[in-house]
Amino acid sequence: AQSVSQHNHHVILSEAASLELGCNYSYGGTVNLFWYVQYPGQHLQLLLKYFSGDPLVKGIKGFEAEFIKSKFSFNLRKPSVQWSDTAEYFCAVTAVSASKIIFGSGTRLSIRP
Amino acid sequence: GAGVSQTPSNKVTEKGKYVELRCDPISGHTAIYWYRQSLGQGPEFLIYFQGTGAADDSGLPNDRFFAVRPEGSVSTLKIQRTERGDSAVYLCASSLTPPGLAGDLQETQYFGPGTRLLVL
Repeated sequence: AQSVSQHNHHVILSEAASLELGCNYSYGGTVNLFWYVQYPGQHLQLLLKYFSGDPLVKGIKGFEAEFIKSKFSFNLRKPSVQWSDTAEYFCAVTAVSASKIIFGSGTRLSIRP
Repeated sequence: GAGVSQTPSNKVTEKGKYVELRCDPISGHTAIYWYRQSLGQGPEFLIYFQGTGAADDSGLPNDRFFAVRPEGSVSTLKIQRTERGDSAVYLCASSLTPPGLAGDLQETQYFGPGTRLLVL
């Protein structure tokens, strides 16, 4: 069965610090990978997605993620965070041709102004 | 354009009651998905509709949960004999085309704001 692990439950950073949120998935086949973000009081929004090709994916708001197939990882990065990045971040995976998205448990990111 | 909408935004009910949660997908989207998000967890898949039929209902926890999409647009999630453990945020998502297309053609799922269900 597919699963997604996000090992950091709560990350606290100061503004301008660099960010890396870990994500590992478990699935033996070809996958599509996603990062979703949920800002306070708002609904889930897609941050970035990987389907194929360049394993370094760039998303909105300066975020990027790197797919490392050998490590089953899809870590999210941002070189310099802002207070407005305070949110819950979810890593997710689908098997190609599957309907369901499997989500991790989320990482809450708090940014100190 | 308008996104996915869900009503009601909040629902409080008593144990044993019946509830219906509604999802309006983005106009023109053919696929609808329901997820449930418990406190401190990521969303968990419940059911997926392509058109009017449930193409994958493997995530429904038991037979108290049922969903319909009779005209291929709006979908309703129905929960019978609610239990306190059903308390969660129920999320709906829609996509333009069905999953199963490899690579960049696979359509992104766009999520609604959710319905927060509290069973007392």
